[in-house]
Parts: sequence; structure tokens; C-alpha cells
Amino acid sequence: ETGVTQTPRHLVMGMTNKKSLKCEQHLGHNAMYWYKQSAKKPLELMFVYNFKEQTENNSVPSRFSPECPNSSHLFLHLHTLQPEDSALYLCASSQSGDANTQYFGPGTRLTVL
Amino acid sequence: QKEVEQNSGPLSVPEGAIASLNCTYSDRGSQSFFWYRQYSGKSPELIMFIYSNGDKEDGRFTAQLNKASQYVSLLIRDSQPSDSATYLCAVNTRGLSFGAGTTVTVRA
Repeated sequence: ETGVTQTPRHLVMGMTNKKSLKCEQHLGHNAMYWYKQSAKKPLELMFVYNFKEQTENNSVPSRFSPECPNSSHLFLHLHTLQPEDSALYLCASSQSGDANTQYFGPGTRLTVL
Repeated sequence: QKEVEQNSGPLSVPEGAIASLNCTYSDRGSQSFFWYRQYSGKSPELIMFIYSNGDKEDGRFTAQLNKASQYVSLLIRDSQPSDSATYLCAVNTRGLSFGAGTTVTVRA
């Protein structure tokens, strides 16, 4: 595997389910990010991790819970989601530092019923 | 005021023409600027980044940055049908802030 991978690519869940999204980067980066892309809206930054430490939480509801066990892996745990949370969830990675280019994974298309 | 604003589009250009995309940003302290291309159903892919005032060219793409005016643009020369996509302007402030994107259609 190369670059940034995400699993699953598609997920359908009910509002009472608990599921997790996984992201893995093979680029040797030390910063990882979660973004949300809803239809007709700009990409929204959700969380930022630098060297496994969360450095940014962009006022995301607590039903989204990130986890970063090491610099290569990032998870987004989901529970009691709402239909309006249906979106494309994108993971990205970069070298730490604002100036560095972020590379995106293919995304997980989430549908909440 | 939105952090990053792009001309709303959609933008339709004939094959071989120049497509011009514009972006303004609100944080005067921003230092790095990116253009991403996103095909329908796919994730964003980096086209160019620019840090310094002036022009930066890469193949058919030219990025222009004017920090005094808080303005960044992307020119696509000799547009091809494969350039048809949504182009996202992004500004790095504690993670990337994205514009809403401009959808470009290149007519064969």
C-alpha cells in the first residue's frame, strides 16, 4: 500500500450503531487530519494530530471521537450519529507544520439512516 | 466573512482556452496556499502550492499570489477535457481552510 489509505470506503449505519473509520498513511508523515465534506459545502477540518497528540478540535460534536495510536494510524469512532452527519470523511497526512502539503486518502462515504 | 472564498462558477471553457480561477482569504497571517483538484466522487489531489508573492508555473498550471491583496489565483492554459473537475483553493491556518470550490467544464 502506498500513500494514504482509508477503510471502509463506504459505510451505511443506523443512528444507534457504533462504527469506526480507519486511516493509515505510508508516507512517513507525523501529522494526520480528519475532514468532513458534505454536499455543496466546503471541506471542513475536524481534527488535527501532530506526533500523536491532538492539536486541533474544530468544535466537533462528541459523537465523533478520534484516536491516534501512532503517527501512521488515525481512527474516527462514530456513535449515535444523525442523518445530517452523512458525508464523505477524508483523512489526510503531512509533515508537521502549517506550511506542509497535505495528502488525502480516498475517503469513506458515510450514510446515516 | 468566510475564511476562503472562490469565484462560484461553474466555469465553462472551450478546449485549448485558458481557465482562470480566483480565491481570496481573510487571514492576513496565512503563509501557505494550495490548489487541489477534485474529480467527482474522488478525494482532492494537489496541483500546486505557493508560498511567495508572484507567479509559480508548473506545466500548464500557473499559480499567482498577492499577499497584500489577500488573493491567489490559478490559470490553466491549453485546457483539456481531462481538466474538467472542481478546483479547491486552500489556505493553511492550523490545518487547511478550503473554499467551496469552482467547477470547471472544458468543452471539446
